[in-house]
Amino acid sequence: EAGVAQSPRYKIIEKRQSVAFWCNPISGHATLYWYQQILGQGPKLLIQFQNNGVVDDSQLPKDRFSAERLKGVDSTLKIQPAKLEDSAVYLCASSWEGRGDEQFFGPGTRLTVL
Amino acid sequence: AQSVTQLDSHVSVSEGTPVLLRCNYSSSYSPSLFWYVQHPNKGLQLLLKYTSAATLVKGINGFEAEFKKSETSFHLTKPSAHMSDAAEYFCVVWSSGTYKYIFGTGTRLKVLA
Repeated sequence: EAGVAQSPRYKIIEKRQSVAFWCNPISGHATLYWYQQILGQGPKLLIQFQNNGVVDDSQLPKDRFSAERLKGVDSTLKIQPAKLEDSAVYLCASSWEGRGDEQFFGPGTRLTVL
Repeated sequence: AQSVTQLDSHVSVSEGTPVLLRCNYSSSYSPSLFWYVQHPNKGLQLLLKYTSAATLVKGINGFEAEFKKSETSFHLTKPSAHMSDAAEYFCVVWSSGTYKYIFGTGTRLKVLA
């Protein structure tokens, strides 16, 4: 089966600019996750979708980050405006139902904010 | 509350010697536990998972982990390290009480020739 797709793989922007990331999960997976992984740290959950509804966005900086999952399939994560501390790898993952089942991860998008 | 602690941030072993990566967890509910591996510039890949069946779990590439409830541990082992095992390893806990996956801070494994 095809894996989780993410684009772009790399992005370099200046602070205060905006950026968007795209994720296409594995077909049929109801649950989609966006994680932020800062260098040297473990992934931190930003937002979790169940189909097209938000299950958990408690750690999403809502003043600058937004995410949507229209039609319960692919998803976009946006940062506007970006700050230096947003430099990280943004990982998208999906799972069948989000109840302790395996998460499948995409390759990630490496964001550098200058 | 649930949490996971990876006791070593870096582990170095010689090729052909055993690997031990330590993970302790805290969960008020029956947990599901996972080990993921992340090679440089790659996404995370599942090595193995524990979901309340057998306490000794076998995974891919010769890795295995033992769930010890009394010690709240889920250590990852491999009898003989290979150069290709050099990567970052993450222990993850999922709780049926919170429905959240919590990642450890990771252990970077270095394999010496």
